[in-house]
Order: sequence, then C-alpha cells, then structure tokens
Amino acid sequence: EDKVVQSPLSLVVHEGDTVTLNCSYEVTNFRSLLWYKQEKKAPTFLFMLTSSGIEKKSGRLSSILDKKELFSILNITATQTGDSAVYLCAVEAYNFNKFYFGSGTKLNVKP
Amino acid sequence: DGGITQSPKYLFRKEGQNVTLSCEQNLNHDAMYWYRQDPGQGLRLIYYSQIVNDFQKGDIAEGYSVSREKKESFPLTVTSAQKNPTAFYLCASSIGTSEYYNEQFFGPGTRLTVL
Repeated sequence: EDKVVQSPLSLVVHEGDTVTLNCSYEVTNFRSLLWYKQEKKAPTFLFMLTSSGIEKKSGRLSSILDKKELFSILNITATQTGDSAVYLCAVEAYNFNKFYFGSGTKLNVKP
Repeated sequence: DGGITQSPKYLFRKEGQNVTLSCEQNLNHDAMYWYRQDPGQGLRLIYYSQIVNDFQKGDIAEGYSVSREKKESFPLTVTSAQKNPTAFYLCASSIGTSEYYNEQFFGPGTRLTVL
C-alpha cells in the first residue's frame, strides 16, 4: 500500500530555533515530492523535489530529497511566529497523476 | 486572476440531506481532485478526475459522488449515505500531464457541518 509518513506530528519551538521536519514515503512509480504550508485554509506550495541530493531553498526554508532512502526533510532556520502552521508532505505518482499526502506536522512557534 | 474557487465557504446540513459543494478553476487544468481533511489529519482523497467525463474513486469515496461535465468544474455531492460528513473539504487541480511535473493548486475550502 502506498503511504507517506510525516514526523513529528506536532512540534513546539521558540522564535529563533531551527526545526527539521521529516517525510518518508513508500509510493510505487514515484514522480515527485512536494511540501505545502497550511495555515488556516488552503495549503500553499513550498517546494517540489524530483532529484536526490539537490537542495531547494527559499529564504529560511530549505528541503532535500533522498530517493535511495525514500525520505525528505524540510528545514526552517531562525523560526518566526509566522511559521506556525501545518506542514504537509505529498508524493505524486506517475500513474493517474495521483497524490499521496502525509498527516502533516503541526508547528507552533512561540514568541 | 487565475485560480480555484470553492463555494460555499461554510455549509450546514441536516442529517439525511444531500449537499453539493462547488469547485471551479480557470487554470485550464485537466486534473481535478477532492480531498477531505479532519482535525489533526492530513488530506484524504475522495475522488479525482484526469479529464472531462472521467473520474476515479479515491481512498474514501463511499457516500460521495462527483461529475465532470466541464473541464473547469468538478462538483462534489455529499450524500446521506456518508456517515460522518462533518469535515473540511478541499478541491485541487493540476495540469495533469505526464510531460511535466505537476503541482497541485488548492481552493480555499468548504467547511461542512452536519447538525
């Protein structure tokens, strides 16, 4: 059965801390891995990863994919209260353009 | 402005009633999706459609129905057969081609509450 597992399920940190969110997957016909940030409503796109070992960066956020070990991490440095959200990991499979989502990591950044 | 719209934003339903959630996109995407999200959980796929007049069941299709008569529209009906329909419903779309990597774009969601 195809699945995506995220850890931890929730995390509480203080502003300025660095956090690492994990996503492991078992999906046949893997095509890409995506990270989304969900605050109150619709998830917003952060990164798409397709190749192993190539880091994607956007400001304080970065992500990398390991296709051999079947996982990805999302790093957030110098966290701010605005980073508080649920972070979702999804894997797209080639067959039927289907996406598999993890249960998300709820991040709470305290002042 | 290109994007995905969902309506209504909030919906209240009495037990035993069918309700239809609207999803429209003007991104010219072929693929459209319906997800359900419960508190503290990720997104679970209800139905998806790769092309007009075609759709497939996702992981939790029981008690739901869809149609895809137009490329831009993918309405979801929550029937009375759905035992626990109170949830947040998200509609998404993607280009839906094997030639390019696909990113999903999401609508703002509909929060359905059964009274």
